[in-house]
Amino acid sequence: DIQMTQSPSSLSASVGDRVTITCRASQSISTYLNWYQQKPGKAPKLLIYAASSLQSGVPSRFSGSGSGTDFTLTISSLQPEDFATYYCQQSYSTLYTFGQGTKLELK
Amino acid sequence: EVQLVESGGGLVKPGGSLRLSCAASGFIFSGYAMSWVRLAPGKGLEWVSYISSIGGTTYYADSVKGRFTISRDNSKNTLYLQMNSLRAEDTAVYYCARDSAKRSSDYWGQGTLVTVSS
Repeated sequence: DIQMTQSPSSLSASVGDRVTITCRASQSISTYLNWYQQKPGKAPKLLIYAASSLQSGVPSRFSGSGSGTDFTLTISSLQPEDFATYYCQQSYSTLYTFGQGTKLELK
Repeated sequence: EVQLVESGGGLVKPGGSLRLSCAASGFIFSGYAMSWVRLAPGKGLEWVSYISSIGGTTYYADSVKGRFTISRDNSKNTLYLQMNSLRAEDTAVYYCARDSAKRSSDYWGQGTLVTVSS
C-alpha cells in the first residue's frame, strides 16, 4: 500500500498568515493527489484535486502543487473559517489512502 | 443539488453485523463510482471501500477486507456497506462519497455513527 505522510501534524497560525502543509507519498503517485478540509462534526470538503486543480467554489487563497512524491497545500492568507483539519489523499493506486491529517489551530 | 444521506448506523456488539445505506439524489447515480470513508474517534480519515459505477469493480482497505461488502442498487439510487464481524476498532463515523472522474471525492454525506461495544 502507498503510505501518505503529512507534516506538520498540527500547526498554530494567525489570521492573515501564509501557511504551507506538506504531504509525502511512499512512492511516486504522479499528480494523483487530493486535499480535503474537515471541520468538527462536518463532512470532509474537497479543496484541491489532481495536485493543483482548485475544486469549484473553493476560494483562490487555497493552492496545491507538487508531483511524484512531494506535495504542498498553501493557504495564502488565513481566514477565520480556515481553521480545520486538512488531509491529503492519493488516488494513484486502487486503495485511496489518506495522510494522518494536519490540524490547523488559531494562535 | 447533489445529496447523499447515510443511514443504518447504531450500537452493535463485537462480532455483530450492520448494513449502512447511502441514498443519493440530484445526479445520475449510475454514472458515478462511490466510496465509503470513516473517521474513528481521535483518528484521521480512513478510506474503506470503492465501487465502480455499475458495481462490477470493488476495492477494500486491508483493515476491512473479508468482513465488509460494498454494493449498490442503481435502480434505487442507493449505496450499501454490509459490515460483518464488527470489532471495537470499527467504531467510527462512516461517510459515503461520490467519486468524480478526476479520482477525488467531490460530494460527501453527513455521516452515520457506528459504535461497536459490548
